[in-house]
Amino acid sequence: EVQLVASGGDLVQPGETLRLSCTDSGFTFRTNALSWVRQAPGRGLEWVSAISGNGQVTNYADSVKGRFTISRDNSRSTMFLQLNSLTAEDTATYYCAKGDRHSGWFDWGQGTPVTVSS
Amino acid sequence: QSVLTQPPSASGTPGQRVTISCSGRSSNIGSSSVNWYQQLPGAAPKLLIYNNNERPSGVPGRFSGSKSGTSASLAISGLQSEDEAEYYCATWDDRLNGYVLGTGTAVTVL
Repeated sequence: EVQLVASGGDLVQPGETLRLSCTDSGFTFRTNALSWVRQAPGRGLEWVSAISGNGQVTNYADSVKGRFTISRDNSRSTMFLQLNSLTAEDTATYYCAKGDRHSGWFDWGQGTPVTVSS
Repeated sequence: QSVLTQPPSASGTPGQRVTISCSGRSSNIGSSSVNWYQQLPGAAPKLLIYNNNERPSGVPGRFSGSKSGTSASLAISGLQSEDEAEYYCATWDDRLNGYVLGTGTAVTVL
């Protein structure tokens, strides 16, 4: 069953900000790395950012570095993605996924849509 | 942009074997394990193969993966109509310090 639930997607104007959330109903949240992966309409998957289980290590795709910030609150089993300085190129469905390079992303949320348009 | 190269499409009749290639470089496939994902229309991706050739519980045995050097492959043996989907390879890239994904391959069952 689906354990990850992504939310926070919305229609915003260029330059605005948004915060996405990903909540895990499972019991292994704090032990797993998490990622955000996005998919623009009609396009392929693009990895956006990842965070380690304890939140100490974060990684970003070059396309979002300096604009997006990933974080997590293990006490609330929730991961966040702060999206700043949004552009039309950030329009996509944003998926959260659980896992790392060894296990693969073995659990995915349903995706939350972000539309950047004036 | 996608760093790993996949053929845009592949097809076969029911029961046939279909193979999808994924080409990278030494900094990604050449130094990290490869995972494969299946995305059915309108759905979130699903993990199909991890660690080059391991199948998660529940994934049918007709799906198999392999890796050699800077390339990887996904094979679907005994193609079925429900296998019609988009398939992506993914791995870690040491040079980019991040994950990279393939361009995606649309599989059609004729």
